[in-house]
Amino acid sequence: GAVVSQHPSWVICKSGTSVKIECRSLDFQATTMFWYRQFPKQSLMLMATSNEGSKATYEQGVEKDKFLINHASLTLSTLTVTSAHPEDSSFYICSAFTSAKNNEQFFGPGTRLTVL
Amino acid sequence: LAKTTQPISMDSYEGQEVNITCSHNNIATNDYITWYQQFPSQGPRFIIQGYKTKVTNEVASLFIPADRKSSTLSLPRVSLSDTAVYYCLVGASTGGGNKLTFGTGTQLKVEL
Repeated sequence: GAVVSQHPSWVICKSGTSVKIECRSLDFQATTMFWYRQFPKQSLMLMATSNEGSKATYEQGVEKDKFLINHASLTLSTLTVTSAHPEDSSFYICSAFTSAKNNEQFFGPGTRLTVL
Repeated sequence: LAKTTQPISMDSYEGQEVNITCSHNNIATNDYITWYQQFPSQGPRFIIQGYKTKVTNEVASLFIPADRKSSTLSLPRVSLSDTAVYYCLVGASTGGGNKLTFGTGTQLKVEL
């Protein structure tokens, strides 16, 4: 398979601060990366689609100015939660796609964000 | 994207075969069916994918009837470590470059 990493694996921050989460494809180049959010006992909800070198496409109801996504290279996408509030506390998961590996999406291990 | 319906939860015992059925009445002609497994505080893991009839790999089998309006994930001889949430997804191509819509999933609990 292919490996996708996320950093950090967990983060605790104060309300009002910004937090950056990295998603890396370690052994393949990902033309597209996706960002999901998952609240406790709930399913994954797609937040945005990130294509290398272009602006991210956000799902309805997701604030693009609050959740900044940058896909600067074929192996790295970042999600920045700006001015975080307690309601932003969640499990954030990224996935990466490459046509070179059976068109499969590979998921990262997730990042647990807790906003105090 | 086709909507899927799965049981919220299932219980089983070690060594038994578990079958999880997913309904997707509005599946489109070019949609594939994919199953993912998720453990707590981890990202989903691909299990199996199919278009029609039966697909088998080293961990599971996927049965798809001719009308493709449902599918059944079969896990042979489950163990405690198979306790997880299982998601059924349908979507165009293999879902690689396309958006994946996760349903509620099925929480499988395996006991001794």
